Amino acid sequence: GQQVMQIPQYQHVQEGEDFTTYCNSSTTLSNIQWYKQRPGGHPVFLIQLVKSGEVKKQKRLTFQFGEAKKNSSLHITATQTTDVGTYFCAGRNRDDKIIFGKGTRLHILP
Amino acid sequence: EPEVTQTPSHQVTQMGQEVILRCVPISNHLYFYWYRQILGQKVEFLVSFYNNEISEKSEIFDDQFSVERPDGSNFTLKIRSTKLEDSAMYFCASSRNGGRANTGELFFGEGSRLTVL
Repeated sequence: GQQVMQIPQYQHVQEGEDFTTYCNSSTTLSNIQWYKQRPGGHPVFLIQLVKSGEVKKQKRLTFQFGEAKKNSSLHITATQTTDVGTYFCAGRNRDDKIIFGKGTRLHILP
Repeated sequence: EPEVTQTPSHQVTQMGQEVILRCVPISNHLYFYWYRQILGQKVEFLVSFYNNEISEKSEIFDDQFSVERPDGSNFTLKIRSTKLEDSAMYFCASSRNGGRANTGELFFGEGSRLTVL
């Protein structure tokens, strides 16, 4: 079946350092969404990318969708303690199934 | 702000018992989903529901699972005979848009934690 791979699984960064998580799908996606889950919380939608090569920014967060619509990345510039949590990509395939990656757990060292 | 609500927040049950998890999606949403998350692991798709029928289901969603929208507001997940490995957080989600022309973000509920003993 379709796989959405996400790396790294864990990332520890010093506060102020940058952070990137990468997502790869085994099949072409209709779109890709990113969610953030705080410890003990539920996934909260961050953004959706639809077009090939699309780049979107939200303050310190930059999201990219690959040209082939099979990979995506989330980059956080100058991390803050409020960025702590698990970041999931979620790819929607042509059959309308949304498949989540395993997530990248971000831990910020003060 | 409208939200997806789920009950119960935590349920403890004996293996083999039936469990019903309830969800009230956002009122103008048309697409409904159940996901589960085993502690510390990824969010796994179980089933999607649209127009009063299942539109997609995963291999996890076997004959022990069923979903229902009994009264136009609630969306329930039933596990007929729970197993130890069903212990997880179950998230309900809804979206306004979906289908092949989808652009819909998922709004998740707070989750129902199921513990099977």
